[in-house]
Amino acid sequence: GESVGLHLPTLSVQEGDNSIINCAYSNSASDYFIWYKQESGKGPQFIIDIRSNMDKRQGQRVTVLLNKTVKHLSLQIAATQPGDSAVYFCAERGSNDYKLSFGAGTTVTVRA
Amino acid sequence: NAGVTQTPKFQVLKTGQSMTLQCAQDMNHNSMYWYRQDPGMGLRLIYYSASEGTTDKGEVPNGYNVSRLNKREFSLRLESAAPSQTSVYFCASFTGALSNQPQHFGDGTRLSIL
Repeated sequence: GESVGLHLPTLSVQEGDNSIINCAYSNSASDYFIWYKQESGKGPQFIIDIRSNMDKRQGQRVTVLLNKTVKHLSLQIAATQPGDSAVYFCAERGSNDYKLSFGAGTTVTVRA
Repeated sequence: NAGVTQTPKFQVLKTGQSMTLQCAQDMNHNSMYWYRQDPGMGLRLIYYSASEGTTDKGEVPNGYNVSRLNKREFSLRLESAAPSQTSVYFCASFTGALSNQPQHFGDGTRLSIL
């Protein structure tokens, strides 16, 4: 994935508000997309994924939206909490591909 | 659940020294990966092993070698460390290409080359 146009490298959010993190990807052949969360000093942690035959998938407090027409992926976090402060990466992979392509990441800071 | 375990967690080397970073996974995954992460940048793939017995270059392989020791273990070697290799190194594993499953990451090795 790449971070072009809609991508913001940093996002400051008031605790309790909803967060939206955007990611643009470049490979139209990509058919599997993942969001990772990386806390300071830790490795990336899987949050949620979505296949290209879907446009929305929900998890616990998180929703991923996929717009294949404009090659755009977003992560929505409901009722953002201090523990959500981290760097968030999108990643994409083509079918039968062993490799992931990562975006540059968005740093989310939650204000109390 | 251990998942992906990397050793050591921290290391300081002098230019020209050699070093092997170790990685082991206990999820019976077929594929394993080595990435580097530099400040303000995303993850860049160094090498990967799609399955036991195979290894392939990623985006930034120069200066590194890898060994897929067995299904569980995948090591990364710096033969002659250079300051440009100062970075955080992450190992990851994954079920396999035909499966829509995410890669799972270790917590990294923080490597400084003086």
